[in-house]
Amino acid sequence: KNQVEQSPQSLIILEGKNCTLQCNYTVSPFSNLRWYKQDTGRGPVSLTIMTFSENTKSNGRYTATLDADTKQSSLHITASQLSDSASYICVVSGNTGNQFYFGTGTSLTVIP
Amino acid sequence: KAGVTQTPRYLIKTRGQQVTLSCSPISGHRSVSWYQQTPGQGLQFLFEYFSETQRNKGNFPGRFSGRQFSNSRSEMNVSTLELGDSALYLCASSYIHTPPNTGELFFGEGSRLTVL
Repeated sequence: KNQVEQSPQSLIILEGKNCTLQCNYTVSPFSNLRWYKQDTGRGPVSLTIMTFSENTKSNGRYTATLDADTKQSSLHITASQLSDSASYICVVSGNTGNQFYFGTGTSLTVIP
Repeated sequence: KAGVTQTPRYLIKTRGQQVTLSCSPISGHRSVSWYQQTPGQGLQFLFEYFSETQRNKGNFPGRFSGRQFSNSRSEMNVSTLELGDSALYLCASSYIHTPPNTGELFFGEGSRLTVL
């Protein structure tokens, strides 16, 4: 069964600190993995997208890694800011059909 | 360039009623997909349209339906509403439709439906 699991479910960190969010998946065959940021009451916004051959991709203070062998990805946030408070969603797609498999997200709260 | 526009943003309905939600994709995007988001289930895929044809469908009952018009605008309809249909309904548009699903998804702000 194609699944995407994220951990932790929620996380609270101090402003300026770093944090790492995890995503494990069982989607096969694999096409790409995306990380989205979703502010409360808003639609998700894309942070990164990685294909099988990519193992690291950065977008400002956000760095995503992918290990296609172990089917794991992480999103590292550096020098967190209050505006990083949001839900971060991992999305994996296969290379057949047209469905995307969503994790339930990690809720990040950055406190002053 | 305008983003994905969803209307209405908020609506309240009672059980048994039906609702129609609208999504206008980014200009030039021909693929529109719909998702239901609830706190317990996260985002769940409803269906995807490309060039007025439903290309894929998630595991939702037949009460959930959709369509796409020639200008790529899409609507989804939920009939005989149930309390469990209360959710944020998100629409996403994409330029590239073909597998392996490499098209970037651009989401709208969503329509929040409350069923009383």
